[in-house]
This record gives sequence, C-alpha cells and structure tokens, in this order.
Amino acid sequence: GESVGLHLPTLSVQEGDNSIINCAYSNSASDYFIWYKQESGKGPQFIIDIRSNMDKRQGQRVTVLLNKTVKHLSLQIAATQPGDSAVYFCAESLNNQFYFGTGTSLTVIP
Amino acid sequence: DARVTQTPRDKVTEMGQEVTMRCQPILGHNTVFWYRQTMMQGLELLAYFRNRAPLDDSGMPKDRFSAEMPDATLATLKIQPSEPRDSAVYFCASAGLTDTQYFGPGTRLTVL
Repeated sequence: GESVGLHLPTLSVQEGDNSIINCAYSNSASDYFIWYKQESGKGPQFIIDIRSNMDKRQGQRVTVLLNKTVKHLSLQIAATQPGDSAVYFCAESLNNQFYFGTGTSLTVIP
Repeated sequence: DARVTQTPRDKVTEMGQEVTMRCQPILGHNTVFWYRQTMMQGLELLAYFRNRAPLDDSGMPKDRFSAEMPDATLATLKIQPSEPRDSAVYFCASAGLTDTQYFGPGTRLTVL
C-alpha cells in the first residue's frame, strides 16, 4: 500500500518563530496533497492544499512547498503562536484515495 | 457554519456487542469517508461513498464491519461483534465539489 511518512515526530518552537514541518510521500503519481491540523480531542482540520502542478502555495501564515523531484512536502508556519500547537498530518491523494502520515506534534513554547 | 456531525462522541462497550456509529455529512457534500485513528496506525481509511454508493471499502474488515448510507444525510458504520482491537477514534469526513475533506469530531470507541 501507499505510505506517507514524516521526518520529525515532534517539534518544539518558540512563540514568534517560524515552524517547518516536513513530509515524505511515496507515490510520484500522487496529484493532490493536503495538510491537516489536529488538536487534542478534535478531528483533523484542513489547513492548506496543493496540486502537483504547483510547487508553492501560500495561505494565511502558512505556506506549503512541494518538491516532486524528491517527493517531499513541507508546511511552513510563520510567526508561530500557542494556538498552533497540535499534530500536523500530511496526506497524498491518488485517484481519490487519501493516505495520511502518522503526524508531527508541534509544541509552541510561550 | 456547516459541519460534519458524529454520534455518539464516546462509546464504551463490551466485547461481542454491536456498535453503530453515525455521521451526518455537510449538506450538499456527495462523498463520505470513514477513517479509524489509533496511536499505532495513525489515520486509516476504512471506506468511502460517493452519491451514497460504496466506492471502496478495502480498508475495512469485512467479517465484522459494515458501512452504509441509508440516505444522503446519514452514513453509518457498524461493528458486529466488536473486539478490543477495534478500540480507536472513528472519524467521518465529507467532501463536495473540491477534494477537500472536512472531518467530524470523531467517535471514541472503547471495547472492553
């Protein structure tokens, strides 16, 4: 089956610093990628997505970068805030099948 | 504020009992997904429906799990009989014209 893995299972950053969460995906044919945020006791929440015909997409304080050459996806959070503390999942999609990574736990230190 | 709703939020049951989890997708969304989340396995896709028809349930143990969409506003996931290894959080998600999936709050299932 497909697999999506995260390089860092935990990440701690100082409030106000930028955070970078990385993800490696397995299938070069995957054409759609999503980052989700999951807070304790809640379901995953959509943050930002990107299609394979792009290499960068920006949202509010978040940027997703896609490097298809090395099958790598990253999520950058600018000026990280305590409310950003959560588990972040990347997911790859191929033929409407979604495959999620195990997640990276981000802790923001006030 | 359209949201996916799930009931119950928490369920504790004994091994061998039947468990039914319900999901109300966002109105107008035609694709519904069921996921299971555990610490060991992360998020696993169990099944998904489009326009109420099951498209893929290959991630679901067929002998004890069943998923249905009686109508466009209700999706159900049933486990019969339940086993302790089924303990997990079960999420429902729905998607509309875009591929973006919106998740419900989950049902935390504990099978003793």
